[in-house]
Amino acid sequence: NAGVTQTPKFRILKIGQSMTLQCTQDMNHNYMYWYRQDPGMGLKLIYYSVGAGITDKGEVPNGYNVSRSTTEDFPLRLELAAPSQTSVYFCASSYPGLPEAFFGQGTRLTVV
Amino acid sequence: AQKVTQAQTEISVVEKEDVTLDCVYETRDTTYYLFWYKQPPSGELVFLIRRNSFDEQNEISGRYSWNFQKSTSSFNFTITASQVVDSAVYFCALSLNTGGFKTIFGAGTRLFVKA
Repeated sequence: NAGVTQTPKFRILKIGQSMTLQCTQDMNHNYMYWYRQDPGMGLKLIYYSVGAGITDKGEVPNGYNVSRSTTEDFPLRLELAAPSQTSVYFCASSYPGLPEAFFGQGTRLTVV
Repeated sequence: AQKVTQAQTEISVVEKEDVTLDCVYETRDTTYYLFWYKQPPSGELVFLIRRNSFDEQNEISGRYSWNFQKSTSSFNFTITASQVVDSAVYFCALSLNTGGFKTIFGAGTRLFVKA
């Protein structure tokens, strides 16, 4: 099992550009999450999904969109990148009924 | 509102010292989960332990132990006989089941263990 896989690992974007952060898991987890981690801070929840076709906002959803067409994949879309979106992004998944999450390796995004 | 406070930003110890990482949480919910995660220098997040709000038993796993006290809303983490490999950022987190687990993380405590 690969667990939770995120691509890319690093990316530099220019202000106003768009991109999609990819996340896939092979553990058949229903629940998936996107977090961002700013320097010296804890993680903040951007969006989450409890199953294919169902998504909901977390603490900091502005500037992001998600979709969940399959159990395995949960991409995060940035439409108009802003410097405030410079962060490390983590995707995670968990079994329904079990709250501990398994995290991907993270994507370090810099917006210049 | 829910909140997790890790008052210690950085701790530095010498190898073989014991160290306790503090965590205080706030929630009005009666059912919740508490966690500790480790983030080593490589950057990934490693799950260490989960406790639910109905289980106040302390837990020991090797050199790691956790003390959960609902009376003081604390969930502290002790590393006994610290090692250099314990150097990492440690996050305490609180999770509520709102039809999907929304997890609130503390700001983390960076632990340096010197040889």
